[in-house]
Amino acid sequence: DSGVTQTPKHLITATGQRVTLRCSPRSGDLSVYWYQQSLDQGLQFLIQYYNGEERAKGNILERFSAQQFPDLHSELNLSSLELGDSALYFCASSATTGGTDTQYFGPGTRLTVL
Amino acid sequence: DAKTTQPTSMDCAEGRAANLPCNHSTISGNEYVYWYRQIHSQGPQYIIHGLKNNETNEMASLIITEDRKSSTLILPHATLRDTAVYYCIVRVAWNNAGNMLTFGGGTRLMVKP
Repeated sequence: DSGVTQTPKHLITATGQRVTLRCSPRSGDLSVYWYQQSLDQGLQFLIQYYNGEERAKGNILERFSAQQFPDLHSELNLSSLELGDSALYFCASSATTGGTDTQYFGPGTRLTVL
Repeated sequence: DAKTTQPTSMDCAEGRAANLPCNHSTISGNEYVYWYRQIHSQGPQYIIHGLKNNETNEMASLIITEDRKSSTLILPHATLRDTAVYYCIVRVAWNNAGNMLTFGGGTRLMVKP
């Protein structure tokens, strides 16, 4: 158990819909990262937040957005869903935003878009 | 961040040492070598990291060559539960562009009885 929690575990929805994935970082960690893992693209970085502020952006689609709240939990919002958005979505957390910080990953949310 | 090259797959007998190689010939002086593994669609799990000295923890040992162009992750006594995809990642310690991990294809290690 990494200490990072993600809800829900599974999500099945239809094309065009909007969903919200939630992540609670390890106690004391200020950075939250979101990654997407699809069959054809592998594990890809989406976005990083540090203490409530966006820190870095990867290959995140404009239909996707995220935020980190004052209690440090984070939400990833996916809208206008397409079949290709079906993937595992992982959240990770680390203490700060650099150095040799270890990132600890949550168990993931499996999103299926029908 | 420097690119890494790993074999696509490897087999190892249970109880034997598993040696997983990684090539990172373009690594810079300020880049660390990290190893993560992912067991069947679970979240990636941190294993170990190092800069230039060999490192050991309760999970594994990391051997980095003197020129730092390659490294080997060693699982001393592999068990069936070590069957996973192992990712070698090279990353700078402080990056104004963010602290993300860049995953490649990894090595699929199959530990066999």
